[in-house]
Amino acid sequence: SQQGEEDPQALSIQEGENATMNCSYKTSINNLQWYRQNSGRGLVHLILIRSNEREKHSGRLRVTLDTSKKSSSLLITASRAADTASYFCATDPLEGKLIFGQGTELSVKP
Amino acid sequence: NAGVMQNPRHLVRRRGQEARLRCSPMKGHSHVYWYRQLPEEGLKFMVYLQKENIIDESGMPKERFSAEFPKEGPSILRIQQVVRGDSAAYFCASSQGTPYGYTFGSGTRLTVV
Repeated sequence: SQQGEEDPQALSIQEGENATMNCSYKTSINNLQWYRQNSGRGLVHLILIRSNEREKHSGRLRVTLDTSKKSSSLLITASRAADTASYFCATDPLEGKLIFGQGTELSVKP
Repeated sequence: NAGVMQNPRHLVRRRGQEARLRCSPMKGHSHVYWYRQLPEEGLKFMVYLQKENIIDESGMPKERFSAEFPKEGPSILRIQQVVRGDSAAYFCASSQGTPYGYTFGSGTRLTVV
């Protein structure tokens, strides 16, 4: 079964609002990563958070990691229509084998 | 830096033919990974390779699928005797290894008719 499970599966918001996506996983990890995929395109690496980190920022992105609950969240602030995409969390339980969740499909309406 | 290059972008094969998918990693990256994505699904790990070595092929179907990453040239994912169920997007990624993120290619979309 998939290591990472995103929640919600789909999210629709208005431009300017914040979007929060959650990810839960099952095993111990070295790090957790978030990726974005535009329709029909490859994945773009957004941010990596190590297992000993609790929070990380990159521009309008904020990622938190709670290893005791085996969960992470991705917050996109002040969303834009261009943020419309699928977002995947991926966990690195063993070197060389990122395991992806099913993704959250984000739609940002102008 | 051209990033991870995959070709072809689109590949159409008839049932029973062979499909060969190529991936050139980013310069300086010696780790290559192949993933498969079915429509409306996440990415499923297939195989992890370093130069001339298969490190982890636990996600590869036991038959018809093989992968290589030779000393020279791109990594190749080969699917023999394709069936309709092989239709998917196949993504290649490269990295410098843990704890770095992956860089993905744009994928090869295989359609079996």
